[in-house]
Amino acid sequence: GQNIDQPTEMTATEGAIVQINCTYQTSGFNGLFWYQQHAGEAPTFLSYNVLDGLEEKGRFSSFLSRSKGYSYLLLKELQMKDSASYLCAGGNAGNMLTFGGGTRLMVKP
Amino acid sequence: DTGVSQDPRHKITKRGQNVTFRCDPISEHNRLYWYRQTLGQGPEFLTYFQNEAQLEKSRLLSDRFSAERPKGSFSTLEIQRTEQGDSAMYLCASSNSRDTRQPQHFGDGTRLSIL
Repeated sequence: GQNIDQPTEMTATEGAIVQINCTYQTSGFNGLFWYQQHAGEAPTFLSYNVLDGLEEKGRFSSFLSRSKGYSYLLLKELQMKDSASYLCAGGNAGNMLTFGGGTRLMVKP
Repeated sequence: DTGVSQDPRHKITKRGQNVTFRCDPISEHNRLYWYRQTLGQGPEFLTYFQNEAQLEKSRLLSDRFSAERPKGSFSTLEIQRTEQGDSAMYLCASSNSRDTRQPQHFGDGTRLSIL
């Protein structure tokens, strides 16, 4: 099984940078996913890491350290529309996802 | 590509009634997943199919829950004798097993409220 931990809430200012951390304990680990979920909407895919290191996609980057069981999602140049929940999820061989509880990010002007 | 669609979007029913939800995955995706999400929590895995075969079921899935994917395309999730604890958002997702880097794509979910 897998155990995923991430902070419950974070607050940041428009234009700033925020880092959302995620730690995991897994068996059969097959990659780490980050999803964004606005209230009442479906989770939408942001990034996937299976090897150690940083993956960059525009304003969003994600980092993975398999030896430390640690990942983070970095959001740059924050915009008000980035206010959402950010879900960290570990994948296994069947690509079933185990999600953390989500981090609710509030971006303030 | 019309995405994953789920029907209905909302369902309100009395305790003890049976309910059935439908999920239509992205057409070229052979894997289909069901999750349940309660307010303020991340989605919890329930079950998944590869083509028509149900390959994994969570211990969360009591015997009141059954899922099918008879032709390897759409899927249904039925809950019998609903209980108040079944109130949640039921999410469906699909993916392609030929590339494990490809993410699961989620539908907008069916919100179930038990009175």
